[in-house]
Amino acid sequence: GAVVSQHPSWVICKSGTSVKIECRSLDFQATTMFWYRQFPKQSLMLMATSNEGSKATYEQGVEKDKFLINHASLTLSTLTVTSAHPEDSSFYICSAGEGPDTQYFGPGTRLTVL
Amino acid sequence: KQEVTQIPAALSVPEGENLVLNCSFTDSAIYNLQWFRQDPGKGLTSLLLIQSSQREQTSGRLNASLDKSSGRSTLYIAASQPGDSATYLCALGSGNTGKLIFGQGTTLQVKP
Repeated sequence: GAVVSQHPSWVICKSGTSVKIECRSLDFQATTMFWYRQFPKQSLMLMATSNEGSKATYEQGVEKDKFLINHASLTLSTLTVTSAHPEDSSFYICSAGEGPDTQYFGPGTRLTVL
Repeated sequence: KQEVTQIPAALSVPEGENLVLNCSFTDSAIYNLQWFRQDPGKGLTSLLLIQSSQREQTSGRLNASLDKSSGRSTLYIAASQPGDSATYLCALGSGNTGKLIFGQGTTLQVKP
């Protein structure tokens, strides 16, 4: 099956710094990618839909200036957590698909903000 | 607003047992329903996808059913094995956008 990678797999940063997470579709092109976050022992919550060549669509309650999403090519979307704070510590997962029935998930990125 | 609930939150069974995981949803106007497996600290692996027009799907020891009228789906695991231990998530596709709404998951432990 298709492969989606994320980098880094885990990152620790100081409060106030920004962190960039990459999501790549390795063997297919994805015009749309999704970003989710998952708190410990909780489910995945959709943060935003990343559209290649256009602005991301954010879910209600997600700060677009806090979580910057860029989808510069058909194989790469990035999520930048700006001015990170401890409450931003979470597991961030992206998905990419070739259609509404086929979504491939990345392995996730564990962010810890000190 | 679509809400997805999974019961139980956790389940522990001895190896070899057949088991059923439940998923309920509030809005029957769904595009599709998927069951995923998540191992600790890992991403998601798709297990079964049921289209809105379908009633069930099977893959190996797994069988998933869908009853839109009652807002329910079940995942049946036959002859459980320790390797089945993981968190199982159901997710609803609310349209043809690919966006998914997830339940909270059921954490399964199969004891040898």
